[in-house]
Amino acid sequence: AQTVTQSQPEMSVQEAETVTLSCTYDTSESNYYLFWYKQPPSRQMILVIRQEAYKQQNATENRFSVNFQKAAKSFSLKISDSQLGDTAMYFCAFMAWDSNYQLIWGAGTKLIIKP
Amino acid sequence: DTGVSQDPRHKITKRGQNVTFRCDPISEHNRLYWYRQTLGQGPEFLTYFQNEAQLEKSRLLSDRFSAERPKGSFSTLEIQRTEQGDSAMYLCASSLFGRGNTGELFFGEGSRLTVL
Repeated sequence: AQTVTQSQPEMSVQEAETVTLSCTYDTSESNYYLFWYKQPPSRQMILVIRQEAYKQQNATENRFSVNFQKAAKSFSLKISDSQLGDTAMYFCAFMAWDSNYQLIWGAGTKLIIKP
Repeated sequence: DTGVSQDPRHKITKRGQNVTFRCDPISEHNRLYWYRQTLGQGPEFLTYFQNEAQLEKSRLLSDRFSAERPKGSFSTLEIQRTEQGDSAMYLCASSLFGRGNTGELFFGEGSRLTVL
């Protein structure tokens, strides 16, 4: 069975700093997606970034980038130049193609950006 | 299309009552998911549909929970004889499954249930 582990329940950084959220996963699948979702307080979950396992190049979306280490089964999220609006719960999630595209979620990391 | 919408946003009920939540997915999306989320936790899978077919239901889901998607568009989630442990946020998400599938789920804002 697949599992996703986020070892940092809560993190806080100053505005404009860079922060890295960690995520590890366990699977025997070879074809899968990895995601980072953001859930701001009292607002809906939105996709931050996704990574296809077959791609070696790390995904980037503006200030957000990932460090995908397939052999180590690690998928960390780096937020550069953090902003107050980045304050949210961040969830790492895994989706195997052979599991009928079901999402497996981590427990989340609460990120607080301080002014 | 304005995205996934859920109704009601907040429901307060007494233990033992039945409640029903509605989800309207993004119109062209063929998959619809229901999740439950408690404070500080990740979403817990409940069930999902592809078009009108319910393809999977969590083994953790008791018989008091039932979901439908009769015409492959909107979906309802009903909880019968509510218990205090049912208090949670119920999230609906939709996706486009098939050729060009990106795996991305689009979420609604959730329906918060409080059972007194």
